[in-house]
Amino acid sequence: NAGVTQTPKFQVLKTGQSMTLQCAQDMNHNSMYWYRQDPGMGLRLIYYSASEGTTDKGEVPNGYNVSRLNKREFSLRLESAAPSQTSVYFCASSVKGNYGYTFGSGTRLTVV
Amino acid sequence: AQSVTQLGSHVSVSEGALVLLRCNYSSSVPPYLFWYVQYPNQGLQLLLKYTTGATLVKGINGFEAEFKKSETSFHLTKPSAHMSDAAEYFCAVSVETSGSRLTFGEGTQLTVNP
Repeated sequence: NAGVTQTPKFQVLKTGQSMTLQCAQDMNHNSMYWYRQDPGMGLRLIYYSASEGTTDKGEVPNGYNVSRLNKREFSLRLESAAPSQTSVYFCASSVKGNYGYTFGSGTRLTVV
Repeated sequence: AQSVTQLGSHVSVSEGALVLLRCNYSSSVPPYLFWYVQYPNQGLQLLLKYTTGATLVKGINGFEAEFKKSETSFHLTKPSAHMSDAAEYFCAVSVETSGSRLTFGEGTQLTVNP
């Protein structure tokens, strides 16, 4: 049982380049999330998808877009990367209700 | 909106000593509270959660937390620290009106000294 799988694990981009972070879960969870983690700031919600076919902005959506491709997959796209987007990105999923998340292992992104 | 404050970004204890990591929340409706642990270069792992019922919650690795509504707190404790407990710990809150969305605290880095 893989849980939540994120790819890639590491990425270096040049300013202005684009990329898509992939996330897939095999637990039949309804909801999926993208967070970024920065030192001293905890985890901040970028976008989330409460169910297949829906997406909503979180706390820090600027510069990002998402796609809920199907129930399993939720991707995060950076159209024009900026150094301020250097961070560790985590995908998570949950069942409906307040039971907590299952996290992926993260993508460490550096924008130079 | 709900929020979480973790008191102390760094906590250092000796091996065998009591671990106490502090978390206070703010919410206008009954909260659901969580503690997560993150080991270096890994994702977050659920330690324990409070949803309803018993206010003293036991989790994995000997950790427990007590929900105190009067103090709006959900502090994490472990009677005796082990070297393997060294990690970053995050408190998080959600409420019914936010669906399943969690709001995280800023984290507390726990160091365990031999």
